[in-house]
Amino acid sequence: GAVVSQHPSRVICKSGTSVKIECRSLDFQATTMFWYRQFPKQSLMLMATSNEGSKATYEQGVEKDKFLINHASLTLSTLTVTSAHPEDSSFYICSARATLGGYTFGSGTRLTVV
Amino acid sequence: QQQVKQSPQSLIVQKGGISIINCAYENTAFDYFPWYQQFPGKGPALLIAIRPDVSEKKEGRFTISFNKSAKQFSLHIMDSQPGDSATYFCAASLYGQNFVFGPGTRLSVLP
Repeated sequence: GAVVSQHPSRVICKSGTSVKIECRSLDFQATTMFWYRQFPKQSLMLMATSNEGSKATYEQGVEKDKFLINHASLTLSTLTVTSAHPEDSSFYICSARATLGGYTFGSGTRLTVV
Repeated sequence: QQQVKQSPQSLIVQKGGISIINCAYENTAFDYFPWYQQFPGKGPALLIAIRPDVSEKKEGRFTISFNKSAKQFSLHIMDSQPGDSATYFCAASLYGQNFVFGPGTRLSVLP
């Protein structure tokens, strides 16, 4: 089946630094990538939607200058958390939609900002 | 309009019992209703999904029941096992669009 590889699985960074999270579709082409954030014991909240080769669309309340999304190819999308602060600590998950339909989630990245 | 409600928030079931989780949606344009299973520290994994032209779908021990007129759908887990202990999310979407997730149900299956 379709697999989305997400890295890193865990990252701890100092406040003020930037962190990049990668999602790769391993055996299919992802026309659309969704990025979610999940706080402990809560549901997944959509942060942004990106289509290959175009700018991401951010949900209301999500700072586009803080959460930089790049979807440069049909197999790779990245989320960069810039100038991270402790309140950005969360579980970040990507989801890829294949060209023929179907959605696959990555395994998630646990970000801890200290 | 975009909200998906889910209940119960948590559920405890004995091994071998039936686990039932319910969801309700508002947007009648939704045309895809998946259920996801998530273990701690992992991303959600698709369990089973249904489209509104079908009233029931069964895959192994997992069954979705769909009531279009009531705008409700439910997940039934038959012969629940301790390994089924996880958080379950229902979701709804328009084809090609992002999912709207329910708040989740934490299922614990006692041995």
